[in-house]
Amino acid sequence: QLQLQESGPGLVKPSETLSLTCTVSGGSISSSSYYWGWIRQPPGKGLEWIGSIYYSGSTYYNPSLKSRVTISVDTSKNQFSLKLSSVTAADTAVYYCARGLMAGTTHAFDIWGQGTMVTVSS
Amino acid sequence: SYELTQPPSVSVSPGQTARITCSGDALPKQYAYWYQQKPGQAPVLVIYKDSERPSGIPERFSGSSSGTTVTLTISGVQAEDEADYYCQSADSSGTFLVFGGGTKLTVL
Repeated sequence: QLQLQESGPGLVKPSETLSLTCTVSGGSISSSSYYWGWIRQPPGKGLEWIGSIYYSGSTYYNPSLKSRVTISVDTSKNQFSLKLSSVTAADTAVYYCARGLMAGTTHAFDIWGQGTMVTVSS
Repeated sequence: SYELTQPPSVSVSPGQTARITCSGDALPKQYAYWYQQKPGQAPVLVIYKDSERPSGIPERFSGSSSGTTVTLTISGVQAEDEADYYCQSADSSGTFLVFGGGTKLTVL
């Protein structure tokens, strides 16, 4: 069945760029039925949507993070990636990648990766 | 920015019915979704498009919608249902996704 796996550094220095990749296995990232998204969860807090991408490259970002976020897709590798620039301690969180099941004008996340903890610290 | 409002906590005894609400101005226009998250685990989608249940989710989980409020109902609550529950929807345009703040369900 479809699986998603996040990968990337677990420790990032303040002011640097956080980079994560999500590898999709057991299915194609190029399916027209799905978006692919990033969600994060600071320790002890709730979920925050970061952004989503369609296989064609169309992106949707959380307005509160839009100036610092770039999400891209590599269909040849069945991967999509997150870059978050100018990080601070407030960006410390578990970062999840997930498949977005389209419904109406929006989407819900029906399959999630296990999550990866990213700490911002010098 | 658009927000969804959930109660921070709900407590019920085993076998009773738990109801968790989620309020937002755009809910009449956008579908709502519900996730269950247990400690140390990724969220699991338990309700989508307001009231549909994904494959593998027990029938005791149901969803409903009325105006600007959606409700997750868990009938015959079991100890294993103790978890955090999050609603999710979008702004009126559908391009900005948002999660509610989460509700901790405690099974007494």
